Amino acid sequence: DTAVSQTPKYLVTQMGNDKSIKCEQNLGHDTMYWYKQDSKKFLKIMFSYNNKELIINETVPNRFSPKSPDKAHLNLHINSLELGDSAVYFCASSQDPASGDNEQFFGPGTRLTVL
Amino acid sequence: TQLLEQSPQFLSIQEGENLTVYCNSSSVFSSLQWYRQEPGEGPVLLVTVVTGGEVKKLKRLTFQFGDARKDSSLHITAAQPGDTGLYLCAGDDGKTSYDKVIFGPGTSLSVIP
Repeated sequence: DTAVSQTPKYLVTQMGNDKSIKCEQNLGHDTMYWYKQDSKKFLKIMFSYNNKELIINETVPNRFSPKSPDKAHLNLHINSLELGDSAVYFCASSQDPASGDNEQFFGPGTRLTVL
Repeated sequence: TQLLEQSPQFLSIQEGENLTVYCNSSSVFSSLQWYRQEPGEGPVLLVTVVTGGEVKKLKRLTFQFGDARKDSSLHITAAQPGDTGLYLCAGDDGKTSYDKVIFGPGTSLSVIP
């Protein structure tokens, strides 16, 4: 009965490959996010979706393409992986930011290592 | 661009000691959140403060929101090894419908038994 789940937990791949990370939330939230946490632990928002619609895109390279098939899922596909993409990627969801309820519920993270 | 700063960046203390970590910004936030992140896991919300000057207590943790809503502090009394983790403050500027939550760089706390 995990609230926000991500797969895989670890991902090791070669430069230039394409990979995907999946995220699902069973909290009934309307808004989902992808965050990147670098080696210095700085957590930065990448994307936000509300009811399958893109709300926030924080100048992320277009090699990163989020896809939301329904409001419970937000997957992240990354093309042509680069060394600098190595980080921990967190999926999160929140109930209703528009009404001020923006507590972020985070998944366990996916540690991506690009060799 | 709104930025949040946190200090100290690293803190290592003995069990039983008290500590305070700070979160500062030059911008006003409609609300501010504190999260704790343990190794290998995602951040978990501890508290949200909304009103300037507000003080909230969570067992041994005391959170305060500055009167001008630009800063916040987290005070831990009699720290325990279980308090070890990365403490992140996050602000919501409240200016847009779908408010973006901005995270500070975090304070990494280590409590030594």
